[in-house]
Amino acid sequence: TQLLEQSPQFLSIQEGENLTVYCNSSSVFSSLQWYRQEPGEGPVLLVTVVTGGEVKKLKRLTFQFGDARKDSSLHITAAQPGDTGLYLCAGPSGNTGKLIFGQGTTLQVKP
Amino acid sequence: DVKVTQSSRYLVKRTGEKVFLECVQDMDHENMFWYRQDPGLGLRLIYFSYDVKMKEKGDIPEGYSVSREKKERFSLILESASTNQTSMYLCASSSRWTGILYEQYFGPGTRLTVT
Repeated sequence: TQLLEQSPQFLSIQEGENLTVYCNSSSVFSSLQWYRQEPGEGPVLLVTVVTGGEVKKLKRLTFQFGDARKDSSLHITAAQPGDTGLYLCAGPSGNTGKLIFGQGTTLQVKP
Repeated sequence: DVKVTQSSRYLVKRTGEKVFLECVQDMDHENMFWYRQDPGLGLRLIYFSYDVKMKEKGDIPEGYSVSREKKERFSLILESASTNQTSMYLCASSSRWTGILYEQYFGPGTRLTVT
């Protein structure tokens, strides 16, 4: 059974600090996605990484896919209160378009 | 602007009631999904539909059924609601799998409380 483990589960930091969220598995994934969910809303896709070793940047967010395609990380530089939310990693389950999700990392950025 | 809508944001039902959660997407997507979200557990797939009238059980289908009579609409049914079904329910849609991992578009969720 494929599993995605995220760490940490909860992070509370001050505005301006840097942070990294990890998503790990014992299984190889063809690709991984990161979603962000704000309170009262559904998750929204941030990025899809498809190549081992790939690094993608989205403003202050940097996403990395591990060389072996078993893990991924999300690094936020100079966090802002607007970054507050639940961050979820997800990977394909089978070949039908289904996803499996990590348990999520709740980020709170205090002004 | 793509959109997935859910019939209710908040719902309170009594134990034993039959509950219908409706989801509509306007993107002509083949795939539709129902998840439940509980703190610390992420999103867990209840049911998946890859075409009209076609469905597949997810990881936690017990106590739920689904209906997809039209491409744009996917309904989740709780035949006899129980308190352990109190949760946030999220609907999502995506393009058909072609070997590429497509984005799933989510509705805003329905917070269901069963008393």
